[in-house]
Amino acid sequence: QQQVKQSPQSLIVQKGGISIINCAYENTAFDYFPWYQQFPGKGPALLIAIRPDVSEKKEGRFTISFNKSAKQFSLHIMDSQPGDSATYFCAAKRGGSNYKLTFGKGTLLTVNP
Amino acid sequence: DTAVSQTPKYLVTQMGNDKSIKCEQNLGHDTMYWYKQDSKKFLKIMFSYNNKELIINETVPNRFSPKSPDKAHLNLHINSLELGDSAVYFCASSQDRRAGGSTDTQYFGPGTRLTVL
Repeated sequence: QQQVKQSPQSLIVQKGGISIINCAYENTAFDYFPWYQQFPGKGPALLIAIRPDVSEKKEGRFTISFNKSAKQFSLHIMDSQPGDSATYFCAAKRGGSNYKLTFGKGTLLTVNP
Repeated sequence: DTAVSQTPKYLVTQMGNDKSIKCEQNLGHDTMYWYKQDSKKFLKIMFSYNNKELIINETVPNRFSPKSPDKAHLNLHINSLELGDSAVYFCASSQDRRAGGSTDTQYFGPGTRLTVL
């Protein structure tokens, strides 16, 4: 059972465009929703995260939109740059160390110059 | 300063061998993890330790045995390696929110690419 579903699998965007990656979750006990960015040959690194008490969080060009009733959240990358080309993972977790971080399957983003 | 480090970065070995991957974090975190990333980039947790105690053990063959000698180290030993074990293995660490951490942020190491021939 895949608890976090991510789409699309791959995305190609022109420089300056908006990249949008969507995720849906099933477990209503999740209370932490991070997005990780992974460059080839590197480990995933936290990009931005949100908790369900807010509907949107923005950090620079990166915004998470969160819809609790629909159990969906998305990552928007404004003014996409070639340096943003990477694999993006959404994830979800219950609070506390006894609970695991469940990842989506990842989206390979390519930003063309 | 490297926050989460792993050694080795690459590991090439024959089927049936036993190998170990080491992980160290200097963040003062009390929870450490091992993840497996397959060829399709899917990240799946294998184990989690909190203060040297095993707290998450996913459905992983018992050929895989984690060992945490102290809070800053979590090593992964793999017996009788199989072709299907070929993957990138990531170590990560976090500070439990209940222990005063501000987030559930997990910090990942650079990965160990294991190739079983």
